[in-house]
Amino acid sequence: QQQVKQSPQSLIVQKGGISIINCAYENTAFDYFPWYQQFPGKGPALLIAIRPDVSEKKEGRFTISFNKSAKQFSLHIMDSQPGDSATYFCAARSSGTYKYIFGTGTRLKVLA
Amino acid sequence: GAVVSQHPSRVICKSGTSVKIECRSLDFQATTMFWYRQFPKQSLMLMATSNEGSKATYEQGVEKDKFLINHASLTLSTLTVTSAHPEDSSFYICSARPPAVSTDTQYFGPGTRLTVL
Repeated sequence: QQQVKQSPQSLIVQKGGISIINCAYENTAFDYFPWYQQFPGKGPALLIAIRPDVSEKKEGRFTISFNKSAKQFSLHIMDSQPGDSATYFCAARSSGTYKYIFGTGTRLKVLA
Repeated sequence: GAVVSQHPSRVICKSGTSVKIECRSLDFQATTMFWYRQFPKQSLMLMATSNEGSKATYEQGVEKDKFLINHASLTLSTLTVTSAHPEDSSFYICSARPPAVSTDTQYFGPGTRLTVL
């Protein structure tokens, strides 16, 4: 119940295309859903985050879509660039404990 | 933005020795810090939650006597890997949470690569 399932495991997108990464959860006590970007040998950096009372949030080229009834959320990267090539993790936070449960990660490669 | 640093960034040690990793919040006070472990090409696994001035809370399966955590001030938490063995080789990442109730985000450090020979 504490798991966050993330797909796909890897993704190859042409420059200028849309990258879509999906996550699903079971625990209804999760109350905050961030997405992190991680480059090799570096710590994760926050990209964008959403709370369950909002269905969509957009920041620049990054959009989170959130479906509370389906317990799913996704990251859309518009106009994908080679510099976006990294590993992306979704996460879910347990209400009250502030602990994050991370998805398994998606390795994105954007071809020039 | 909020900055979290870790020191050292890389460390190589011999089996049986202890290694200390520091995590500092540079521009905010963090009442809560978290320690994660990440194996190559895998996700981040939460090891423990560190609260300033109190004992750390360890996740199931994490040996508290092996991974000693101290959170002595609002800007510093340390993780000591005691009697390290090759299987402890991993990427250790800390995060810090600002104390404001309205703050949702954790800010992550750059990580420490530990290699035990």
